[in-house]
Amino acid sequence: AQSVSQHNHHVILSEAASLELGCNYSYGGTVNLFWYVQYPGQHLQLLLKYFSGDPLVKGIKGFEAEFIKSKFSFNLRKPSVQWSDTAEYFCAVNAGGNQFYFGTGTSLTVIP
Amino acid sequence: DSGVTQTPKHLITATGQRVTLRCSPRSGDLSVYWYQQSLDQGLQFLIQYYNGEERAKGNILERFSAQQFPDLHSELNLSSLELGDSALYFCASSAPSGAFYNEQFFGPGTRLTVL
Repeated sequence: AQSVSQHNHHVILSEAASLELGCNYSYGGTVNLFWYVQYPGQHLQLLLKYFSGDPLVKGIKGFEAEFIKSKFSFNLRKPSVQWSDTAEYFCAVNAGGNQFYFGTGTSLTVIP
Repeated sequence: DSGVTQTPKHLITATGQRVTLRCSPRSGDLSVYWYQQSLDQGLQFLIQYYNGEERAKGNILERFSAQQFPDLHSELNLSSLELGDSALYFCASSAPSGAFYNEQFFGPGTRLTVL
């Protein structure tokens, strides 16, 4: 079965620290990749997505992600986190056209 | 506010019962997706409807069914409820093409508690 793995369940960082959240998927065909974020008390919203072209994708709020096909990975990065980045982050994969899989999420806490 | 609405916000019911969750997509969106988020299984895709027709199916139990009406709102029906069905149920909608690579806009969710 297809799956999406987010290895970090809970990450705690101080403000200005760099962030990298891991995401790996298991699917050998064409994929579209997403990172969604859920801020406390808010709905899920899209941070960024990849479906073709440059494997380095830039999203909102200074986030970026790199698609490495050989590693089946789509890690999320931000060079300097802020307290307002405290949220739950979900990696998602659209595989095989009409299937959509979310990872279990990573909870990020940024300490001021 | 994503523009997607879900009712009710909370629902408490007993095992064996049946409930209906409702979702209204963003204006202009033809596609509606349903997801279940539980502590042990994370966020799981259940089913997608596009302009009234079922388009994709994920890990949806046979006890669950959904439909999308002519006004594009959707309902998720959960029957013969079990304790393990307690979860947050999200609805999302996306741009007219209904393709999965489009951004999905999520509603606030319905929290279902089965006692």
